[in-house]
Amino acid sequence: QVQLVQSGAEVKRPGASVKVSCKASGYTFRNHYIHWVRQAPGQGLEWMGWFNPYNGGTNYAQRSQGRVTMTGDTSISTAHMEMSRLRYDDTAIYYCARAFWVSGSYYLDYWGQGTLVTVSS
Amino acid sequence: DIQMTQSPSSLSASVGDRVTITCQASQDIKKNLNWYQQKPGKAPKFLIYDASNLETGVPSRFSGSGSGTDFTFTISSLQAEDIATYYCQQYDDLPLTFGGGTKVEMK
Repeated sequence: QVQLVQSGAEVKRPGASVKVSCKASGYTFRNHYIHWVRQAPGQGLEWMGWFNPYNGGTNYAQRSQGRVTMTGDTSISTAHMEMSRLRYDDTAIYYCARAFWVSGSYYLDYWGQGTLVTVSS
Repeated sequence: DIQMTQSPSSLSASVGDRVTITCQASQDIKKNLNWYQQKPGKAPKFLIYDASNLETGVPSRFSGSGSGTDFTFTISSLQAEDIATYYCQQYDDLPLTFGGGTKVEMK
């Protein structure tokens, strides 16, 4: 069965960096984009961007550009999202999600359990 | 960016009630809309794609309709396990954008 298992919670100082991992299993990792979505406490879902494991391509939301880097390692079926220069308002749960695309349909069908990143001094 | 506006932001209903949520896009997105359910403390769960197609395994009491800019999500007979926040999401263009969510509570 498809599973996305994310790395554990992180507490970081403002200005630091954080790297969140997302290990995929149950399908061919290279065949599906990985999207990253975050959710601030008590708030809605915010799309951050996608990573294409097949060729390493990326597409970032404008708000993510310059501070977020999405990468992956196909040998261990793992995607990573690194955010630099952390601010207090980056405190959120970060989710990875697998994208499914067929015949014009496109959706995020499997999600990781989420990783809480807390930015605190 | 395409803005997605959901209403209401919250609602209270009883078991067996019909629940309807609307989602409006800021521009024509055809049928390029998905719905997700998020229970407290859990990751979102994918329910409906292309505005009206149920994901395999999703109970038939859930349904969706609409095209263009106006969409509807319906629970035909609310069950206790349906207590959650529901989000619409467009994929007509990047960036992907979500509605603000509708929190469904039990009366």
